[in-house]
Amino acid sequence: DTAVSQTPKYLVTQMGNDKSIKCEQNLGHDTMYWYKQDSKKFLKIMFSYNNKELIINETVPNRFSPKSPDKAHLNLHINSLELGDSAVYFCASSQVGQSYYGYTFGSGTRLTVV
Amino acid sequence: AQKVTQAQTEISVVEKEDVTLDCVYETRDTTYYLFWYKQPPSGELVFLIRRNSFDEQNEISGRYSWNFQKSTSSFNFTITASQVVDSAVYFCALSERSFGNEKLTFGTGTRLTIIP
Repeated sequence: DTAVSQTPKYLVTQMGNDKSIKCEQNLGHDTMYWYKQDSKKFLKIMFSYNNKELIINETVPNRFSPKSPDKAHLNLHINSLELGDSAVYFCASSQVGQSYYGYTFGSGTRLTVV
Repeated sequence: AQKVTQAQTEISVVEKEDVTLDCVYETRDTTYYLFWYKQPPSGELVFLIRRNSFDEQNEISGRYSWNFQKSTSSFNFTITASQVVDSAVYFCALSERSFGNEKLTFGTGTRLTIIP
């Protein structure tokens, strides 16, 4: 069983479209994250949710809206896609207060906006 | 604010040579955690090691070893007898123990190429 699964793995779409990326974890963790990796491989946190509550929002444009229906799911919806949104998006999870046990990452979603 | 610096952008070595990847971090916390991740060409992030700020013992795992020095805020990674499969981008990362506001801050990565 995959611990943190993201779908789709690849997403190619035109500018201006709206798209969603889904993430699910079966580890029982209470915190989930979205990270963005740009073309230079730089990884930066976008959001974190703890028990469905938004905790971190790192100056991400309003076009990005995370949604957490329950603590096992954190989806990312992007409106009006722009060329600069092309990147790899990683979902991750952890157990709050137990950073020592690390973060588990999904395999990433490569988004290409054309 | 926490910060991780990986000054080496790219490194190339010939197979079987040893190579060290540098990582320097900044944090105000006394309790924090350090990580190394490997990102092979396939793109996934592979966890390699975690270390808490109270454990300065060096660690060895097969051909991999890590040197944590709190005095210099460094957490360096050495690959001994490198192999072509070690070619990847390696990330050092820092997580501060900020309850409920935890996150991983990554360095910019070091691209390691092992030349056969």
